[in-house]
Amino acid sequence: KAGVTQTPRYLIKTRGQQVTLSCSPISGHRSVSWYQQTPGQGLQFLFEYFSETQRNKGNFPGRFSGRQFSNSRSEMNVSTLELGDSALYLCASSSAGMSNTEAFFGQGTRLTVV
Amino acid sequence: DAKTTQPNSMESNEEEPVHLPCNHSTISGTDYIHWYRQLPSQGPEYVIHGLTSNVNNRMASLAIAEDRKSSTLILHRATLRDAAVYYCILSLYNQGGKLIFGQGTELSVKP
Repeated sequence: KAGVTQTPRYLIKTRGQQVTLSCSPISGHRSVSWYQQTPGQGLQFLFEYFSETQRNKGNFPGRFSGRQFSNSRSEMNVSTLELGDSALYLCASSSAGMSNTEAFFGQGTRLTVV
Repeated sequence: DAKTTQPNSMESNEEEPVHLPCNHSTISGTDYIHWYRQLPSQGPEYVIHGLTSNVNNRMASLAIAEDRKSSTLILHRATLRDAAVYYCILSLYNQGGKLIFGQGTELSVKP
């Protein structure tokens, strides 16, 4: 079966702009989580959506938001981009949430803010 | 705040066992311990997870200390393909499953 698909794979944006990233989970999975990965901070949890509802949230400013559609596809939006938002953004899907089940990660979207 | 601590790097010889440690002294009784690994230019890959008892699967074993303040991921026979960054992750039950990542241990495997 198809894995987790993230689009686009690479993005270059200018400071102050906004960006939307997309994640298509594995068929049948209802949980989608988003993560930011940077060399300095490592992997950090952004938020988790389950059945179109945000269930968990990490410690990120309100400029980072997301949503999940009825087909479980999820989008993440970052507004008013800052240079420090340059990172690899990963999403993961699982059947019930990463708390106590296996999650499957996509290859990520590499965002560069200039 | 909950936190996990891992060594920055470890080295192993091929076909020898590898023990990757993780400290999580602030863990509560309902927090799960997960391990994922990440190869270059790829997303993390699930390895194993557990709550209180030791766990085994085809990839690895997870040994959890009796007081749950530390755990060890055991690769029984390292191969070159096991070279990756290994992340120890806590899922905080009392904070809605919020995930806390360690900085990861970069494992290199020598032939």
